[in-house]
Amino acid sequence: SAVISQKPSRDICQRGTSLTIQCQVDSQVTMMFWYRQQPGQSLTLIATANQGSEATYESGFVIDKFPISRPNLTFSTLTVSNMSPEDSSIYLCSVGGRGKGDTEAFFGQGTRLTVV
Amino acid sequence: DQQVKQNSPSLSVQEGRISILNCDYTNSMFDYFLWYKKYPAEGPTFLISISSIKDKNEDGRFTVFLNKSAKHLSLHIVPSQPGDSAVYFCAARGGGLDSNYQLIWGAGTKLIIKP
Repeated sequence: SAVISQKPSRDICQRGTSLTIQCQVDSQVTMMFWYRQQPGQSLTLIATANQGSEATYESGFVIDKFPISRPNLTFSTLTVSNMSPEDSSIYLCSVGGRGKGDTEAFFGQGTRLTVV
Repeated sequence: DQQVKQNSPSLSVQEGRISILNCDYTNSMFDYFLWYKKYPAEGPTFLISISSIKDKNEDGRFTVFLNKSAKHLSLHIVPSQPGDSAVYFCAARGGGLDSNYQLIWGAGTKLIIKP
């Protein structure tokens, strides 16, 4: 299992500004994942953060908008840049669930972002 | 293109009765199916899973049924308890190679257990 601490838990931000979300895991993991859940929608994978290499972004998400850092095997940050009201969502970091014998993913508590 | 669908946004069930949450999928290559539970202000937590080679998995009050021919799975909770009130997400996992075991999520069903 893994315990993930994510912060901030919520924030209200002005459009045009940026917010950095932090995710700390209690064990070393190769991959960390960042998800977005827009209101009434499913969880959508933004990117996979690998330690020592650039993050891998899913279709529809770009590094300029969602820069990711992964300085070590227990920590990652996601920045939501130049925010607009459409970025209002819950952002979640996650580990696990992506190996052949590893079917369980663990999540942080999420960051509820409101852009005004 | 929604590969995993939970068509009921919400479900209300009397305490003590059975809760049945449904999930449909389109990709026959999914190798695992998972159910997660999410309380407000918390991240989703794993509840139960089933491999694509099985048709039933049971864990206490929770049972997941998989019907591969119909591409349908369901989560049964019996008896339902007030603490079961939460949002339930169905997720399907792609196999290895190109899909890289990526999890594909449904939109969730909010379960309300009435006392």
